[in-house]
Amino acid sequence: AQSVTQPDIHITVSEGASLELRCNYSYGATPYLFWYVQSPGQGLQLLLKYFSGDTLVQGIKGFEAEFKRSQSSFNLRKPSVHWSDAAEYFCAVGGPGGSQGNLIFGKGTKLSVKP
Amino acid sequence: NAGVTQTPKFQVLKTGQSMTLQCAQDMNHEYMSWYRQDPGMGLRLIHYSVGAGITDQGEVPNGYNVSRSTTEDFPLRLLSAAPSQTSVYFCASSYGGSNQPQHFGDGTRLSIL
Repeated sequence: AQSVTQPDIHITVSEGASLELRCNYSYGATPYLFWYVQSPGQGLQLLLKYFSGDTLVQGIKGFEAEFKRSQSSFNLRKPSVHWSDAAEYFCAVGGPGGSQGNLIFGKGTKLSVKP
Repeated sequence: NAGVTQTPKFQVLKTGQSMTLQCAQDMNHEYMSWYRQDPGMGLRLIHYSVGAGITDQGEVPNGYNVSRSTTEDFPLRLLSAAPSQTSVYFCASSYGGSNQPQHFGDGTRLSIL
């Protein structure tokens, strides 16, 4: 069965520090991988996606993620965190089934930013 | 540029009451879905639709009903509300299906007393 694990429930970093949020997935076929961000009281916004090709993908707001098939990981990174990055981040995995409702979300990592 | 619109934003119900959460999108997306979000649980899929007249169950469908009479609208019905259905509900849509980027509404926060 497909699944997504985000090992860190809550992370606190200082403004200007680098950030890495971990995501591990389990999926039998080629995964379609996503990172979403949710600000308080808001819906989810897509940060970036990986379908195929270059394993390092760039997203919005200066985020990037690297797909590592051997480690079943899709970690999100940012070189320098801004206070406005404080939010909850969700990793998600879908498959080539497309319309079959098989998009699975991790439980999320809440990011706090210290001034 | 409305995107995905959910109404109402907040609702309080009594146990046993029924209600409909509305979701509309103006992007001509074929795929629409409903999720519930509970603390520490992430998002769980309730129901989804791949086009008008076609719906299917997700991970947690019990107690919920959906229909899709038009491409734009995908309402979620609570048949007899229970306290376990207290949650934040999100509607999402996409062009190509569940493995494409989803556009989310701002959510409906529902409390069942």
